[in-house]
Amino acid sequence: GAGVSQSPSNKVTEKGKDVELRCDPISGHTALYWYRQSLGQGLEFLIYFQGNSAPDKSGLPSDRFSAERTGGSVSTLTIQRTQQEDSAVYLCASTPSGNYEQYFGPGTRLTVT
Amino acid sequence: AQSVSQHNHHVILSEAASLELGCNYSYGGTVNLFWYVQYPGQHLQLLLKYFSGDPLVKGIKGFEAEFIKSKFSFNLRKPSVQWSDTAEYFCAVNAIGSGTYKYIFGTGTRLKVLA
Repeated sequence: GAGVSQSPSNKVTEKGKDVELRCDPISGHTALYWYRQSLGQGLEFLIYFQGNSAPDKSGLPSDRFSAERTGGSVSTLTIQRTQQEDSAVYLCASTPSGNYEQYFGPGTRLTVT
Repeated sequence: AQSVSQHNHHVILSEAASLELGCNYSYGGTVNLFWYVQYPGQHLQLLLKYFSGDPLVKGIKGFEAEFIKSKFSFNLRKPSVQWSDTAEYFCAVNAIGSGTYKYIFGTGTRLKVLA
């Protein structure tokens, strides 16, 4: 079946511009996670959505970062006024109910020039 | 705060050598433990997982990991590596009962296997 998809696969933007990154989780998966993967830094947790519960935003690095999940499915991560340090691969993962295994998407490589 | 440490950042081995990658975590309660692998040009995929029961778990491609609760460790092993095992390996912890379902990942270990 279809896996987690993310778009765009690559995004180059100028410093100060806003960007939106999209994640389509596997159909029926109740939990959705966003991570940031920087070289040598591993995966940094950003935000987590579980069903209709309030999201866990504890990993968002600044108020320039926000995310929403509409209809319990598609999620959008928005970065406002991008900075060069925001350059990274942004990964999305989803998890079915009652299962702790995460299914990852291919990621969006963001480059801020 | 919970954390995960992977002490080996880069490992280079020859084919047929044995592999052990270290993973230690800090959390005093019950945990779910995972190893994920990212092959070159591919996305992260699950290698193996531990929830409960036998602390020695077996995963795909001949990998295994042992949960040692007293050492807060979940080391990954493979008796004989192949060139195709060249990848980046991530250990992850999900702390049960911590009030959140978030996962904490280690910084990863890049494994290069020489043919």
